[in-house]
Amino acid sequence: GQQLNQSPQSMFIQEGEDVSMNCTSSSIFNTWLWYKQEPGEGPVLLIALYKAGELTSNGRLTAQFGITRKDSFLNISASIPSDVGIYFCAGQLGNQGGKLIFGQGTELSVKP
Amino acid sequence: DVKVTQSSRYLVKRTGEKVFLECVQDMDHENMFWYRQDPGLGLRLIYFSYDVKMKEKGDIPEGYSVSREKKERFSLILESASTNQTSMYLCASSFRARADTEAFFGQGTRLTVV
Repeated sequence: GQQLNQSPQSMFIQEGEDVSMNCTSSSIFNTWLWYKQEPGEGPVLLIALYKAGELTSNGRLTAQFGITRKDSFLNISASIPSDVGIYFCAGQLGNQGGKLIFGQGTELSVKP
Repeated sequence: DVKVTQSSRYLVKRTGEKVFLECVQDMDHENMFWYRQDPGLGLRLIYFSYDVKMKEKGDIPEGYSVSREKKERFSLILESASTNQTSMYLCASSFRARADTEAFFGQGTRLTVV
């Protein structure tokens, strides 16, 4: 089936560092979403992007919808220990009524 | 607040048992989804429903079926559980025909088949 390529798979960083992760696809998406999942919980929406080129921030998080509509990135600035978790990108295809395709996830570890 | 509720957090079942995972949402969403999450593989779509009694296969439907008799409830059925179906199962819901189509997730059900 269709899949998004998300990288990196895991990151081990020091508190205070900035983080960057991205997703690419061979398909064009109408919507890009970024989720965070903490241990034992379901994913929670962080940022939603609806237009090509759109750049959106949510606190220390910034995400962009690529111009080609085939990619997106998420940046986290000045990481803190509570940023630990798995981050997922998700894309929605335009012709499938809301069906979402997910990336493999980026597992973030933050060392105090 | 949107609420998506899965009936169990943890389940242990025996090989060959019929297993029902239930999901209920309270936001009048048309779309409901069942995903399976395994380490390194992300979330893989099992089945998707965009209306009552309507369903579409996702990427990994083999060994699963679904039921959507009411708009708010979407059930995942393992007809004969096998050990390779041990996984975390996540239910989600969203609006179908709106620009803000983000999906909201339940807390997950961790199923172990022994």
